[in-house]
Amino acid sequence: GAVVSQHPSWVICKSGTSVKIECRSLDFQATTMFWYRQFPKQSLMLMATSNEGSKATYEQGVEKDKFLINHASLTLSTLTVTSAHPEDSSFYICSASRPPYSNQPQHFGDGTRLSIL
Amino acid sequence: SQQGEEDPQALSIQEGENATMNCSYKTSINNLQWYRQNSGRGLVHLILIRSNEREKHSGRLRVTLDTSKKSSSLLITASRAADTASYFCAPNHGSSNTGKLIFGQGTTLQVKP
Repeated sequence: GAVVSQHPSWVICKSGTSVKIECRSLDFQATTMFWYRQFPKQSLMLMATSNEGSKATYEQGVEKDKFLINHASLTLSTLTVTSAHPEDSSFYICSASRPPYSNQPQHFGDGTRLSIL
Repeated sequence: SQQGEEDPQALSIQEGENATMNCSYKTSINNLQWYRQNSGRGLVHLILIRSNEREKHSGRLRVTLDTSKKSSSLLITASRAADTASYFCAPNHGSSNTGKLIFGQGTTLQVKP
């Protein structure tokens, strides 16, 4: 099956730091990637849809200036949490999709656990 | 709402028993997908069932779809302790050209050895 690699898997940093998370599609060209966050014992919340070569589409309530998304190539999307604060601590998960989108599953990375001190 | 609603929220069974999880949704779909999430990991795709299909099998998994009732079920037969995970259904409404999915709260399955 398709493989999506997410890095780092775990990061701890001080408040005010910016943190970059990478999501790579290893064996297919992902024109679309998705970013989710998940709090303990809760479901995945879709943050944004990342489109190769264009601006990301953010879900309502997600601050685009806080969560910067770049999808510069067909195999890499990055999420940067800018000036992170303790409330940004969460489990961030990416997924990749390819056409035809109406009948293809998403392929998920293993997530990044972010802890802000 | 575009998400599926899973039922029950939690399920605890003994190893060897079957586990059934249900999913309901509100608007018409292109397909419905089931995913599994082990604790602290990403989601793993299990089965995608198209709107014109009624049943699909994959190993010990059986998924049914009733579009008239807007519902689906996932059956895991002869469960194992390794099946302990959260299970999510995701209706694909085809309303966008990106394959965007919205996830519900899921069913947390515990299989006791």
